[in-house]
Amino acid sequence: GENVEQHPSTLSVQEGDSAVIKCTYSDSASNYFPWYKQELGKRPQLIIDIRSNVGEKKDQRIAVTLNKTAKHFSLHITETQPEDSAVYFCAASIRDYQLIWGAGTKLIIKP
Amino acid sequence: GAGVSQSPRYKVTKRGQDVALRCDPISGHVSLYWYRQALGQGPEFLTYFNYEAQQDKSGLPNDRFSAERPEGSISTLTIQRTEQRDSAMYRCASSQPTGLAGVSYEQYFGPGTRLTVT
Repeated sequence: GENVEQHPSTLSVQEGDSAVIKCTYSDSASNYFPWYKQELGKRPQLIIDIRSNVGEKKDQRIAVTLNKTAKHFSLHITETQPEDSAVYFCAASIRDYQLIWGAGTKLIIKP
Repeated sequence: GAGVSQSPRYKVTKRGQDVALRCDPISGHVSLYWYRQALGQGPEFLTYFNYEAQQDKSGLPNDRFSAERPEGSISTLTIQRTEQRDSAMYRCASSQPTGLAGVSYEQYFGPGTRLTVT
């Protein structure tokens, strides 16, 4: 069946350094790839998304890249700050309306 | 405007009892999703509504789980004869219509209902 693999499961970086989280998907028909951030005890919230007709998208300190041939996409966070600490989920669309989610990456920003 | 709301926020029930979880989506959002989220895991799809039509219920674990959205707005997820393994966070999300084929929109999540079956 369709699945999304996400790595690493935990990522610890020094404040100010960059963080990269990677996901691979299995359904070649997937065309929408969102990233959600979930702080402890809070609901998931969209931080950035990319569609299959674009290879890269940037919004201030965060960026997402997509390689459709290889079926993988990545989240890049530069100049990390303490408030970036959270669990990050990638997802890929299937059947137009449904998202398949990765297992999440716990990002820890060390002061 | 108001976001997605869910009630109750916490529910403790005894094994064998029925529970009903409510979701009130963002006004105007015709797409509604139910998910189950285990601690530290990504949301697990349960079911999807487009207006009042339940278009996909493939993620419901078994026939003890059911959902409805009779007027295309508020939705209820019902679990009959609850079991301990049903304990989890249940979240709903709503979004704009998915529109053209192959186009997906941001899903807005509710705060969730933490269900504990004792």
